[in-house]
Amino acid sequence: KNQVEQSPQSLIILEGKNCTLQCNYTVSPFSNLRWYKQDTGRGPVSLTIMTFSENTKSNGRYTATLDADTKQSSLHITASQLSDSASYICVVSPPINTGTASKLTFGTGTRLQVTL
Amino acid sequence: DAGVIQSPRHEVTEMGQEVTLRCKPISGHDYLFWYRQTMMRGLELLIYFNNNVPIDDSGMPEDRFSAKMPNASFSTLKIQPSEPRDSAVYFCASSFRASLGTQYFGPGTRLLVL
Repeated sequence: KNQVEQSPQSLIILEGKNCTLQCNYTVSPFSNLRWYKQDTGRGPVSLTIMTFSENTKSNGRYTATLDADTKQSSLHITASQLSDSASYICVVSPPINTGTASKLTFGTGTRLQVTL
Repeated sequence: DAGVIQSPRHEVTEMGQEVTLRCKPISGHDYLFWYRQTMMRGLELLIYFNNNVPIDDSGMPEDRFSAKMPNASFSTLKIQPSEPRDSAVYFCASSFRASLGTQYFGPGTRLLVL
């Protein structure tokens, strides 16, 4: 079972609309949770990084939230643009003192398509 | 900075051939990571280095895979012999202060083994 599960697998929305992507994780404890955006044919690009003590982090039209109690995170995209069409990947990092802090656990991603 | 540089961008080879993928991390970064991405399995960490030293290679699928980092500005991932199931996109990423720092990914090498 994947330790980081994302939903939905894919999503189509109209330009200008808002959307929310979900991430449920079982990695525990963890040091931080990241959201990456990956355009087709490119490497992932970091959008946000949140430590376990943070509840929300924004980057422009992207807002990530974290509920450590329920082990859920969401990425909210406001006023979507065509350029938001990409895969969005949730990534969890184990604690620093485990010696495996660099071994990120990746979700399989949500593929978002923004249309006219 | 030009970011993480990978070469080649695309590689097509025949089963049994040796494949070498190359990576130049961002200057000043002390961690380097090699990932493989497929539709079925998503992104998988293969190996990572800290200050040029391999720290964890538990993600390397088989002995056919090997990685080196002879200096702070260069790393290679070699597959010998290659097999069709190795077909994937291979990403190199680098970061400063691994667990707290953002990992910056290269553009990837798309490998097709026939």
